[in-house]
Amino acid sequence: EADIYQTPRYLVIGTGKKITLECSQTMGHDKMYWYQQDPGMELHLIHYSYGVNSTEKGDLSSESTVSRIRTEHFPLTLESARPSHTSQYLCASSEKGAANTEAFFGQGTRLTVV
Amino acid sequence: AQSVAQPEDQVNVAEGNPLTVKCTYSVSGNPYLFWYVQYPNRGLQFLLKYITGDNLVKGSYGFEAEFNKSQTSFHLKKPSALVSDSALYFCAVSDSMGRRALTFGSGTRLQVQP
Repeated sequence: EADIYQTPRYLVIGTGKKITLECSQTMGHDKMYWYQQDPGMELHLIHYSYGVNSTEKGDLSSESTVSRIRTEHFPLTLESARPSHTSQYLCASSEKGAANTEAFFGQGTRLTVV
Repeated sequence: AQSVAQPEDQVNVAEGNPLTVKCTYSVSGNPYLFWYVQYPNRGLQFLLKYITGDNLVKGSYGFEAEFNKSQTSFHLKKPSALVSDSALYFCAVSDSMGRRALTFGSGTRLQVQP
């Protein structure tokens, strides 16, 4: 079992609220990622980081922001949630400098914006 | 840009029969290829990867995958399917420089009938 944790697992919030999805890993991985996935559908990369103070936007414009102040922590923030943000958010991590290492995924956060 | 195609949305197979889930890729340089499985309401679990060497890669739960450079394919296989193999399967690729996060295919739902 991978040591990467996401909280909360499920979240229902109202439109306009600010929320932060937490992701932590204890494997010392430098690379971390956020993917958005509608149920049973493909994954879309929304943010990634190659290390502390390094963040990049992915392929999907999700109107969210991330920070990487500590190696083990990569939170995702929605400043003003909308119903279109309803989805599953998956966090992952992998070793730095080795493209051939697999990514480890958290259990995901299922977000519903009402 | 790197990309992955999984041409089948769903694959149906009877328990005990062999299964194949197809994947083709496009990437600059040498590819690193991965297969993941996702069970309902869970994150992705790593199954196997191809980095270099033998074109037939063996992974978890009796799965294997065959790398074919000329056809740019990396099909997932299992000699004898189990009902418990029913899940969503994702193929992913990264380039050998590791410049980007993994790029995932759209996923294939495998349904194994008793």
